[in-house]
Amino acid sequence: GQSLEQPSEVTAVEGAIVQINCTYQTSGFYGLSWYQQHDGGAPTFLSYNGLDGLEETGRFSSFLSRSDSYGYLLLQELQMKDSASYFCAVSGSSNTGKLIFGQGTTLQVKP
Amino acid sequence: NAGVTQTPKFQVLKTGQSMTLQCAQDMNHEYMSWYRQDPGMGLRLIHYSVGAGITDQGEVPNGYNVSRSTTEDFPLRLLSAAPSQTSVYFCASSGDGRYGYTFGSGTRLTVV
Repeated sequence: GQSLEQPSEVTAVEGAIVQINCTYQTSGFYGLSWYQQHDGGAPTFLSYNGLDGLEETGRFSSFLSRSDSYGYLLLQELQMKDSASYFCAVSGSSNTGKLIFGQGTTLQVKP
Repeated sequence: NAGVTQTPKFQVLKTGQSMTLQCAQDMNHEYMSWYRQDPGMGLRLIHYSVGAGITDQGEVPNGYNVSRSTTEDFPLRLLSAAPSQTSVYFCASSGDGRYGYTFGSGTRLTVV
């Protein structure tokens, strides 16, 4: 089976940097993805780590350590529009298209 | 491009009724999935498919059926609706299967 853990809520101020952690337990592992979801909206894909290390996409970066079964999403220069839920998701060891999501972290950005 | 289109956007069902949630994508993606999301919760995988004619069960498949006769369409059937199936249902597709899923706008289903 697969299980993921991430904090339920994080609060930060505009302009700051915030890190959302994700730990996972899986019977097989292919990669870790991150998705953003605004209230009432659909999830949108942010980033993917298939290998250890840091992936950077603009203000967002994602990190993976396969040996620690751990990853994080780093959001820099926070803006009010970044207030949303963020989900980590794991894909299994064979590419079956089976993507399992964590419970999500609600990020509140304050002025 | 329309991306992933889900219909209907809203639906109210009575307990015991059956219905089909429609999902279509125009990106020629092989991988498609159905998720449900309950208030304040994450996305739970119901069924998924790696191509036409191939489907498999996810985390919460009971009470739902799927079929994939074409690459474009992946309908989800509720066999006999129950109040516990009140949820928001999302369909998603990917060209890779590991990442980059595009989600539809969701179907908000209430079973009374």
